[in-house]
Amino acid sequence: DQQVKQNSPSLSVQEGRISILNCDYTNSMFDYFLWYKKYPAEGPTFLISISSIKDKNEDGRFTVFLNKSAKHLSLHIVPSQPGDSAVYFCAAHDNTGGFKTIFGAGTRLFVKA
Amino acid sequence: EAGVTQFPSHSVIEKGQTVTLRCDPISGHDNLYWYRRVMGKEIKFLLHFVKESKQDESGMPNNRFLAERTGGTYSTLKVQPAELEDSGVYFCASSQDLVGKQFFGPGTRLTVL
Repeated sequence: DQQVKQNSPSLSVQEGRISILNCDYTNSMFDYFLWYKKYPAEGPTFLISISSIKDKNEDGRFTVFLNKSAKHLSLHIVPSQPGDSAVYFCAAHDNTGGFKTIFGAGTRLFVKA
Repeated sequence: EAGVTQFPSHSVIEKGQTVTLRCDPISGHDNLYWYRRVMGKEIKFLLHFVKESKQDESGMPNNRFLAERTGGTYSTLKVQPAELEDSGVYFCASSQDLVGKQFFGPGTRLTVL
């Protein structure tokens, strides 16, 4: 039973436009969320994070929004660039009974030039 | 500063054989994590070390998997005997702090025939 869900396996966006990647979670005890980007044959790299006490965090072209009541977060990339084409993973810290990071299945973003 | 390294990058073995994966974390990072990704699915947590101690091994699939981190530096993950369903990409990650970003290695692709 997946606790972090990314329901869109892929997303295609034109260069310069906004990319919006979505993520839903089921466990209300999750208190910290992260986005990672992954290129082929490489490990994931950290992109941006947000604590559950905030509803928005911005870093350059990347903004993460958190809606706790809906158990939903989204990553906005503006403007999208071809180099942003990668798989994006949503993740959450789970502190119950230890410490682990729960990842979603990823969304593959294609940014067309 | 060197990143997280993993060895080997690929391993192809037959069912019933033994394989040992190695991870060298970033120097000074007390936290070390193992994950596995089966094609197209989520990155699944396996276990978490703090220095040489296992803090959370709730994600380990069964007793065919053994992880060690002697001396709190590098870690090994042994699969014995390997089964077909063990195939996937095994990622190692490390972090200085418990909460926040983790630095991932490039992964070891394990294929069990």
